[in-house]
Amino acid sequence: NAGVMQNPRHLVRRRGQEARLRCSPMKGHSHVYWYRQLPEEGLKFMVYLQKENIIDESGMPKERFSAEFPKEGPSILRIQQVVRGDSAAYFCASSLTLDSRNYEQYFGPGTRLTVT
Amino acid sequence: AQKITQTQPGMFVQEKEAVTLDCTYDTSDPSYGLFWYKQPSSGEMIFLIYQGSYDQQNATEGRYSLNFQKARKSANLVISASQLGDSAMYFCAMRGPDSNYQLIWGAGTKLIIKP
Repeated sequence: NAGVMQNPRHLVRRRGQEARLRCSPMKGHSHVYWYRQLPEEGLKFMVYLQKENIIDESGMPKERFSAEFPKEGPSILRIQQVVRGDSAAYFCASSLTLDSRNYEQYFGPGTRLTVT
Repeated sequence: AQKITQTQPGMFVQEKEAVTLDCTYDTSDPSYGLFWYKQPSSGEMIFLIYQGSYDQQNATEGRYSLNFQKARKSANLVISASQLGDSAMYFCAMRGPDSNYQLIWGAGTKLIIKP
């Protein structure tokens, strides 16, 4: 059973370009979460999605950032017109259920975005 | 507001010694969950252990145990018989009280095991 897959692992973009980060959840998982980790910090929640629905995007910047989880294919985190401050590690996690009190989020290896 | 505090930015420990990593939390919700994750230099986030607020026993997973002191709002991670491979960043996280999915993270502790 493959774990959470993220690609690319490393992404370099110039200021003003677009960054697309992909996440394939674990097989059978329909809940996807995106987190951002700035250098020397813990993770910060960005968005929670289920198939074709954004449930909670309260942690996502209002501009330039968007996320989707289509019926078919991976979840995509899209950053338009990147700036240097977007440089960070972006982690995707997935979970099997939401109702269980003892749920667990399985994390992908992360995508390290560098904006030059 | 919900908050996780890890007061040890870095620790050096001799191999084979036990290690305690501190974590305190703040929440007004009676129902919550506490997690510990390990992040080695390769960058992935590895789940270690979970403690529910209503669990009667302290959680254990192999060499990892969680010293859960509810009244003090602390959830320290104990690693017994440390190994060189334990060198990594360790993060404490809490399931947010307003939802049962959003994880709130501490700043992490960098643990280095000396041979």
